Amino acid sequence: QKEVEQDPGPLSVPEGAIVSLNCTYSNSAFQYFMWYRQYSRKGPELLMYTYSSGNKEDGRFTAQVDKSSKYISLFIRDSQPSDSATYLCAMSSGTFQGAQKLVFGQGTRLTINP
Amino acid sequence: DVKVTQSSRYLVKRTGEKVFLECVQDMDHENMFWYRQDPGLGLRLIYFSYDVKMKEKGDIPEGYSVSREKKERFSLILESASTNQTSMYLCASRGTGRVSPLHFGNGTRLTVT
Repeated sequence: QKEVEQDPGPLSVPEGAIVSLNCTYSNSAFQYFMWYRQYSRKGPELLMYTYSSGNKEDGRFTAQVDKSSKYISLFIRDSQPSDSATYLCAMSSGTFQGAQKLVFGQGTRLTINP
Repeated sequence: DVKVTQSSRYLVKRTGEKVFLECVQDMDHENMFWYRQDPGLGLRLIYFSYDVKMKEKGDIPEGYSVSREKKERFSLILESASTNQTSMYLCASRGTGRVSPLHFGNGTRLTVT
């Protein structure tokens, strides 16, 4: 079993819909949780970061972490065609200092249709 | 703005060739990483370096080596390329701040025939 599981999709929704992207994990030591966005033919870029459990909101994006269920989510409100990308969850057990290793999910390919 | 530059966008090499993938970052970051990205498998860490001339194996180091002679440059070396090394290779760097994110290059698509 992989440490981090993410449904690869593809996921296709109409513009304006609420999108929910999810990851599950098995390592209870994970405490740093990130979402990266990767546009076609580009490298991933950090979208959101959360520490431990709880919610974090940034504009149309909300990240949720439920450590008791080992489950993290990314919600996109009022989705736009420009949100079409692959979304990767990533997590680690230590601090960001030094060369802390991240474990990535497989990535979910999302398309927002105008 | 942080820039991580990978020297080649596409490479085609033959089985058995020695292959060099180059990566340069312009933000004076201590930490640099090489990942490969494959459909269904996500990003997997090959090697990382936390200082000049220092390197650590990641999850899949077999068949690869790395070189970091200067802080800004991190090279991935395929000693004898094989077809199962056909993949997208991503270089990344990050600083040592508590919330310093990974900054990725745009990748090198390597095909080994």
